[in-house]
Amino acid sequence: ILNVEQSPQSLHVQEGDSTNFTCSFPSSNFYALHWYRWETAKSPEALFVMTLNGDEKKKGRISATLNTKEGYSYLYIKGSQPEDSATYLCAFLTGTASKLTFGTGTRLQVTL
Amino acid sequence: GAGVSQSPSNKVTEKGKDVELRCDPISGHTALYWYRQSLGQGLEFLIYFQGNSAPDKSGLPSDRFSAERTGGSVSTLTIQRTQQEDSAVYLCASSSGQGGYEQYFGPGTRLTVT
Repeated sequence: ILNVEQSPQSLHVQEGDSTNFTCSFPSSNFYALHWYRWETAKSPEALFVMTLNGDEKKKGRISATLNTKEGYSYLYIKGSQPEDSATYLCAFLTGTASKLTFGTGTRLQVTL
Repeated sequence: GAGVSQSPSNKVTEKGKDVELRCDPISGHTALYWYRQSLGQGLEFLIYFQGNSAPDKSGLPSDRFSAERTGGSVSTLTIQRTQQEDSAVYLCASSSGQGGYEQYFGPGTRLTVT
Protein backbone atom coordinates (compact mmCIF):
# COMPACT_ATOMS: atom_id res chain seq x y z
CA ILE A 1 0.00 0.00 0.00
CA LEU A 2 1.44 3.36 -1.04
CA ASN A 3 1.41 6.03 1.61
CA VAL A 4 1.30 9.69 0.61
CA GLU A 5 1.38 12.04 3.58
CA GLN A 6 0.78 15.75 3.62
CA SER A 7 1.53 18.22 6.36
CA PRO A 8 0.25 20.23 7.95
CA GLN A 9 -3.34 19.01 7.80
CA SER A 10 -4.58 22.60 7.96
CA LEU A 11 -3.10 26.05 8.04
CA HIS A 12 -4.47 29.49 8.79
CA VAL A 13 -2.41 32.49 7.62
CA GLN A 14 -2.88 36.22 7.21
CA GLU A 15 -3.02 37.92 3.83
CA GLY A 16 0.51 38.66 2.65
CA ASP A 17 2.14 35.80 4.57
CA SER A 18 4.21 33.28 2.68
CA THR A 19 3.64 29.65 3.46
CA ASN A 20 4.66 26.16 2.46
CA PHE A 21 3.38 22.60 2.76
CA THR A 22 5.01 19.20 2.48
CA CYS A 23 4.11 16.07 0.57
CA SER A 24 5.96 12.86 1.46
CA PHE A 25 5.86 9.78 -0.74
CA PRO A 26 7.74 6.50 -1.20
CA SER A 27 11.11 7.16 -2.85
CA SER A 28 11.24 3.88 -4.76
CA ASN A 29 9.88 3.35 -8.27
CA PHE A 30 8.97 7.01 -8.67
CA TYR A 31 7.23 8.15 -11.87
CA ALA A 32 5.38 11.43 -11.25
CA LEU A 33 4.14 13.76 -8.53
CA HIS A 34 1.05 15.90 -9.08
CA TRP A 35 -0.19 18.95 -7.14
CA TYR A 36 -3.84 20.02 -7.28
CA ARG A 37 -5.79 22.88 -5.73
CA TRP A 38 -9.36 22.14 -4.64
CA GLU A 39 -11.49 25.13 -3.77
CA THR A 40 -14.77 24.62 -1.97
CA ALA A 41 -17.67 23.89 -4.35
CA LYS A 42 -15.32 23.61 -7.31
CA SER A 43 -13.40 20.83 -9.07
CA PRO A 44 -9.77 20.02 -8.24
CA GLU A 45 -7.49 22.00 -10.55
CA ALA A 46 -4.04 20.85 -11.62
CA LEU A 47 -1.16 23.05 -10.48
CA PHE A 48 1.94 21.04 -11.39
CA VAL A 49 3.03 17.67 -12.68
CA MET A 50 6.63 16.93 -11.72
CA THR A 51 8.69 14.04 -12.97
CA LEU A 52 12.39 14.81 -12.50
CA ASN A 53 14.42 14.90 -9.30
CA GLY A 54 15.30 18.52 -8.58
CA ASP A 55 12.37 19.85 -10.62
CA GLU A 56 11.20 23.32 -9.66
CA LYS A 57 7.99 24.64 -11.14
CA LYS A 58 6.29 28.00 -10.77
CA LYS A 59 2.88 29.40 -11.57
CA GLY A 60 2.44 32.99 -10.46
CA ARG A 61 2.96 33.16 -6.70
CA ILE A 62 2.91 29.38 -6.32
CA SER A 63 5.96 27.20 -6.78
CA ALA A 64 6.93 23.60 -6.06
CA THR A 65 10.10 21.58 -5.67
CA LEU A 66 10.69 17.86 -5.93
CA ASN A 67 13.19 15.51 -4.27
CA THR A 68 12.59 11.98 -5.52
CA LYS A 69 15.61 10.47 -3.73
CA GLU A 70 14.29 11.36 -0.29
CA GLY A 71 10.62 11.27 -1.26
CA TYR A 72 9.26 14.74 -0.68
CA SER A 73 7.86 17.76 -2.48
CA TYR A 74 7.28 21.25 -1.14
CA LEU A 75 4.60 23.66 -2.32
CA TYR A 76 5.24 27.34 -1.63
CA ILE A 77 2.81 30.23 -1.79
CA LYS A 78 4.34 33.71 -1.70
CA GLY A 79 2.24 36.59 -0.39
CA SER A 80 -0.92 34.58 0.30
CA GLN A 81 -4.24 36.06 -0.80
CA PRO A 82 -7.77 35.12 0.33
CA GLU A 83 -8.37 33.53 -3.10
CA ASP A 84 -5.58 31.05 -2.29
CA SER A 85 -7.85 29.51 0.34
CA ALA A 86 -8.35 25.91 -0.74
CA THR A 87 -7.25 22.36 -0.06
CA TYR A 88 -3.94 21.51 -1.72
CA LEU A 89 -3.59 17.88 -2.74
CA CYS A 90 -0.53 16.00 -3.85
CA ALA A 91 -0.71 12.70 -5.69
CA PHE A 92 1.98 10.14 -6.43
CA LEU A 93 2.42 7.73 -9.31
CA THR A 94 4.82 4.80 -9.44
CA GLY A 95 6.38 3.49 -12.61
CA THR A 96 4.28 0.35 -12.52
CA ALA A 97 0.92 1.86 -11.57
CA SER A 98 -1.72 3.40 -13.74
CA LYS A 99 -3.39 5.40 -11.00
CA LEU A 100 -2.53 8.27 -8.73
CA THR A 101 -2.47 7.83 -4.96
CA PHE A 102 -3.64 11.04 -3.33
CA GLY A 103 -2.70 12.48 0.03
CA THR A 104 -5.44 13.80 2.30
CA GLY A 105 -4.48 17.38 1.56
CA THR A 106 -3.49 20.56 3.36
CA ARG A 107 -6.38 22.90 3.99
CA LEU A 108 -5.25 26.53 3.70
CA GLN A 109 -7.29 29.46 4.93
CA VAL A 110 -6.09 32.98 4.21
CA THR A 111 -7.76 35.83 6.06
CA LEU A 112 -7.53 39.58 5.69
CA GLY B 1 -13.50 24.35 -24.84
CA ALA B 2 -15.86 22.34 -22.66
CA GLY B 3 -14.48 20.76 -19.53
CA VAL B 4 -15.40 17.50 -17.87
CA SER B 5 -19.09 17.33 -17.02
CA GLN B 6 -20.90 15.04 -14.62
CA SER B 7 -24.53 14.34 -13.94
CA PRO B 8 -26.46 14.48 -11.77
CA SER B 9 -24.79 17.03 -9.52
CA ASN B 10 -26.70 15.69 -6.53
CA LYS B 11 -28.43 12.38 -5.98
CA VAL B 12 -30.37 11.27 -2.95
CA THR B 13 -31.39 7.63 -2.99
CA GLU B 14 -32.80 5.07 -0.60
CA LYS B 15 -30.67 2.25 0.68
CA GLY B 16 -30.93 -0.75 -1.60
CA LYS B 17 -31.65 1.18 -4.79
CA ASP B 18 -29.34 1.24 -7.82
CA VAL B 19 -27.82 4.51 -9.07
CA GLU B 20 -26.03 5.55 -12.25
CA LEU B 21 -23.57 8.41 -12.39
CA ARG B 22 -22.47 9.85 -15.70
CA CYS B 23 -19.23 11.45 -16.84
CA ASP B 24 -18.53 13.28 -20.11
CA PRO B 25 -14.76 13.70 -20.45
CA ILE B 26 -12.95 16.34 -22.46
CA SER B 27 -13.12 15.46 -26.14
CA GLY B 28 -10.02 13.62 -27.29
CA HIS B 29 -8.87 12.59 -23.82
CA THR B 30 -8.00 8.92 -23.85
CA ALA B 31 -7.74 8.40 -20.11
CA LEU B 32 -10.73 8.56 -17.75
CA TYR B 33 -10.70 8.08 -13.98
CA TRP B 34 -13.36 7.74 -11.30
CA TYR B 35 -12.63 8.74 -7.70
CA ARG B 36 -14.71 9.25 -4.61
CA GLN B 37 -14.28 11.31 -1.50
CA SER B 38 -16.10 10.18 1.59
CA LEU B 39 -16.55 12.56 4.51
CA GLY B 40 -13.22 13.25 6.17
CA GLN B 41 -11.29 11.07 3.73
CA GLY B 42 -8.91 11.75 0.87
CA LEU B 43 -9.59 11.10 -2.79
CA GLU B 44 -9.97 7.36 -3.34
CA PHE B 45 -9.27 5.84 -6.74
CA LEU B 46 -12.05 3.63 -8.11
CA ILE B 47 -11.43 2.75 -11.76
CA TYR B 48 -9.33 3.86 -14.72
CA PHE B 49 -9.96 3.57 -18.48
CA GLN B 50 -7.20 4.12 -21.05
CA GLY B 51 -8.13 3.94 -24.72
CA ASN B 52 -9.20 0.46 -25.74
CA SER B 53 -7.26 -1.29 -22.99
CA ALA B 54 -8.97 -3.30 -20.28
CA PRO B 55 -9.89 -0.96 -17.41
CA ASP B 56 -8.00 -0.98 -14.13
CA LYS B 57 -10.76 -1.87 -11.67
CA SER B 58 -8.49 -2.39 -8.70
CA GLY B 59 -10.04 0.43 -6.67
CA LEU B 60 -13.66 -0.68 -6.84
CA PRO B 61 -14.67 -1.38 -3.23
CA SER B 62 -17.11 -4.22 -3.94
CA ASP B 63 -18.85 -6.07 -6.74
CA ARG B 64 -21.81 -3.72 -6.32
CA PHE B 65 -19.72 -1.15 -8.20
CA SER B 66 -19.19 -1.29 -11.95
CA ALA B 67 -18.31 1.15 -14.68
CA GLU B 68 -18.26 1.23 -18.42
CA ARG B 69 -16.98 3.61 -21.02
CA THR B 70 -18.83 3.55 -24.31
CA GLY B 71 -17.10 4.50 -27.55
CA GLY B 72 -14.07 5.70 -25.69
CA SER B 73 -15.95 8.74 -24.46
CA VAL B 74 -18.84 8.87 -21.97
CA SER B 75 -18.55 6.76 -18.85
CA THR B 76 -21.19 5.50 -16.44
CA LEU B 77 -20.49 4.40 -12.88
CA THR B 78 -23.20 2.11 -11.52
CA ILE B 79 -23.71 1.29 -7.88
CA GLN B 80 -26.14 -1.53 -7.19
CA ARG B 81 -28.03 -2.04 -3.94
CA THR B 82 -26.63 1.17 -2.46
CA GLN B 83 -25.53 1.25 1.17
CA GLN B 84 -25.15 4.23 3.48
CA GLU B 85 -21.37 3.90 3.33
CA ASP B 86 -21.59 4.64 -0.41
CA SER B 87 -22.50 8.25 0.42
CA ALA B 88 -19.69 10.39 -0.96
CA VAL B 89 -18.74 12.84 -3.68
CA TYR B 90 -17.93 10.92 -6.86
CA LEU B 91 -15.46 12.69 -9.13
CA CYS B 92 -14.56 11.92 -12.69
CA ALA B 93 -11.35 13.11 -14.35
CA SER B 94 -9.87 12.80 -17.81
CA SER B 95 -6.42 13.34 -19.25
CA SER B 96 -4.73 13.15 -22.61
CA GLY B 97 -2.56 10.28 -21.39
CA GLN B 98 -1.63 8.50 -18.22
CA GLY B 99 0.82 9.22 -15.44
CA GLY B 100 2.72 12.32 -16.42
CA TYR B 101 -0.34 14.15 -17.71
CA GLU B 102 -2.44 16.42 -15.53
CA GLN B 103 -5.97 15.33 -14.86
CA TYR B 104 -8.98 17.54 -15.47
CA PHE B 105 -11.75 17.00 -12.97
CA GLY B 106 -15.48 17.33 -13.30
CA PRO B 107 -17.64 19.06 -10.69
CA GLY B 108 -18.60 15.78 -9.04
CA THR B 109 -21.80 14.05 -8.05
CA ARG B 110 -22.77 14.20 -4.40
CA LEU B 111 -24.47 10.91 -3.56
CA THR B 112 -26.48 10.59 -0.36
CA VAL B 113 -27.89 7.20 0.58
CA THR B 114 -30.64 7.43 3.19
